[in-house]
Amino acid sequence: AQSVTQPDIHITVSEGASLELRCNYSYGATPYLFWYVQSPGQGLQLLLKYFSGDTLVQGIKGFEAEFKRSQSSFNLRKPSVHWSDAAEYFCAVGEYGNKLVFGAGTILRVKS
Amino acid sequence: EPEVTQTPSHQVTQMGQEVILRCVPISNHLYFYWYRQILGQKVEFLVSFYNNEISEKSEIFDDQFSVERPDGSNFTLKIRSTKLEDSAMYFCASSHPSATNYGYTFGSGTRLTVV
Repeated sequence: AQSVTQPDIHITVSEGASLELRCNYSYGATPYLFWYVQSPGQGLQLLLKYFSGDTLVQGIKGFEAEFKRSQSSFNLRKPSVHWSDAAEYFCAVGEYGNKLVFGAGTILRVKS
Repeated sequence: EPEVTQTPSHQVTQMGQEVILRCVPISNHLYFYWYRQILGQKVEFLVSFYNNEISEKSEIFDDQFSVERPDGSNFTLKIRSTKLEDSAMYFCASSHPSATNYGYTFGSGTRLTVV
């Protein structure tokens, strides 16, 4: 069965520190991979996506993610976190034209 | 940048009433979806729609739910007789037809509260 695991429910980092949010997936083939961000009560904003090519993808707001096929992982990173990055982050996987399967989300808190 | 538009942003309804949630997908997208997110929980797939028919639905999408694309632009989710447990944020999404430029865009959601 398709599944996405985000092992960290909450993460707290200091402003200016680096960030890595983990995502592991179980899927029959290499799926399309996405990271979305959600502020409280708001919609889902796409940060970045991967489906082929360079395994390091750049997204908006200074985020990047690296696809590692051997580890079935798609971890999200940011070199220097800003207070405005505090939100919930969702990893999602799917095939072309099909539903996305979401992880449970990681809530990021930023300390000033 | 093109957006998926959802209306209303908030809806409060009495248990047993019918509600219709509306969405305008991105105009050149061909696949349409509804998801829901119960407060504090993960985003769950409800249904996908392609070529004017349901292509996949989840266990959640039972007989009280229906979807329709009544014209060339709108995509609606109807809940026939709402229950308290239908209270959630409902997201519409649409995806781009190009496999090499695959975009999957969500609307800002409709918060449904059943009282």
